Amino acid sequence: GESVGLHLPTLSVQEGDNSIINCAYSNSASDYFIWYKQESGKGPQFIIDIRSNMDKRQGQRVTVLLNKTVKHLSLQIAATQPGDSAVYFCAENRASGYSTLTFGKGTMLLVSP
Amino acid sequence: DAGVIQSPRHEVTEMGQEVTLRCKPISGHNSLFWYRQTMMRGLELLIYFNNNVPIDDSGMPEDRFSAKMPNASFSTLKIQPSEPRDSAVYFCASSLKGDYEQYFGPGTRLTVT
Repeated sequence: GESVGLHLPTLSVQEGDNSIINCAYSNSASDYFIWYKQESGKGPQFIIDIRSNMDKRQGQRVTVLLNKTVKHLSLQIAATQPGDSAVYFCAENRASGYSTLTFGKGTMLLVSP
Repeated sequence: DAGVIQSPRHEVTEMGQEVTLRCKPISGHNSLFWYRQTMMRGLELLIYFNNNVPIDDSGMPEDRFSAKMPNASFSTLKIQPSEPRDSAVYFCASSLKGDYEQYFGPGTRLTVT
């Protein structure tokens, strides 16, 4: 989920488990959502995106679910691997007419072997 | 493609000094974004250019910050004078016009003492 203040929420899982990272967004008019992965010392990297006219989209080992009723987004990672350890951010385009994204505070995923 | 290029990767400076951060977007991308990332505030959009023109600079914290994009392949973010609270990681990202997916550079870690 989203964090407030200094500490990121952390999800700790075992290698091979499925991971679910949640995100609450604020603007019901947002029409595009994206998940980024940020490894230590690197810039955010695109994982998967979804438009508001969809409620599910699948990629390789990842699935994004969108629930517009409760303004909730989730990222599911199947068979989590140690290389998946990173901070995960959701972002939304608030349909402002600009191509800008508003990012959440992030969730740290720790995968232990 | 080399991706988004930022320089320097690390900058340590004393309070009051001028700092210039540089960015080369991905060739062919016509939107460029500058972000600041801190633990307290997360990833914040500072300014957004489209076709070298600043479109939204509402995130620029104060007059000490300025950004330019003299051509499609180069942008600078300048802080003058710098203050310790400016210490953060600064990211540049680029995208194709009309495409929400942004490609991030590796960031510049700025420390102001």
